[in-house]
Amino acid sequence: ILNVEQSPQSLHVQEGDSTNFTCSFPSSNFYALHWYRWETAKSPEALFVMTLNGDEKKKGRISATLNTKEGYSYLYIKGSQPEDSATYLCASPGSNYKLTFGKGTLLTVNP
Amino acid sequence: DAGVIQSPRHEVTEMGQEVTLRCKPISGHNSLFWYRQTMMRGLELLIYFNNNVPIDDSGMPEDRFSAKMPNASFSTLKIQPSEPRDSAVYFCASSPRQNNQPQHFGDGTRLSIL
Repeated sequence: ILNVEQSPQSLHVQEGDSTNFTCSFPSSNFYALHWYRWETAKSPEALFVMTLNGDEKKKGRISATLNTKEGYSYLYIKGSQPEDSATYLCASPGSNYKLTFGKGTLLTVNP
Repeated sequence: DAGVIQSPRHEVTEMGQEVTLRCKPISGHNSLFWYRQTMMRGLELLIYFNNNVPIDDSGMPEDRFSAKMPNASFSTLKIQPSEPRDSAVYFCASSPRQNNQPQHFGDGTRLSIL
């Protein structure tokens, strides 16, 4: 069973602030790292899937980096907006394609 | 692309009744996953299928839960008999059988057992 951890558990920022949070995962037998955005009362939506050490992906104001050697990924949000408020989940698959999710970071952006 | 389709969206039923949740994965995706979201445990995997075959059902809570995938375009999750503690949101997700591809989630079924 993979151990995927996220920090912080929750985060409150003001509109316009930039923020980041962390996902850590086992660096051995690494296959991929997924990030999902999960708004309240909706379903998780994929943001990024990263596989290579040093990968950096960007989608609008959101970007993510990956360090497979030390087992962590950062998610960055530049100029946070209230609509960015959501739970951000990271997950890593094992050899059997089964995703192990972290418990998520709940982001609240205050207007 | 219609996405992953789940039905019903909401179900309210009395304890002891049989409940059947349905899922249609995205065409061409050969992995299908059933998850349950609760306040206590967050998002937990119940069971998943590859090419219609159940691969890992270790997350299924107990014998009252069963899941089938009779063909590539349809899966069911059944609870019989249902209990109030089964109340949760149940998500179905599908993906190609590759680690570098994301899972696509349905809108979920909100189940309330009275």
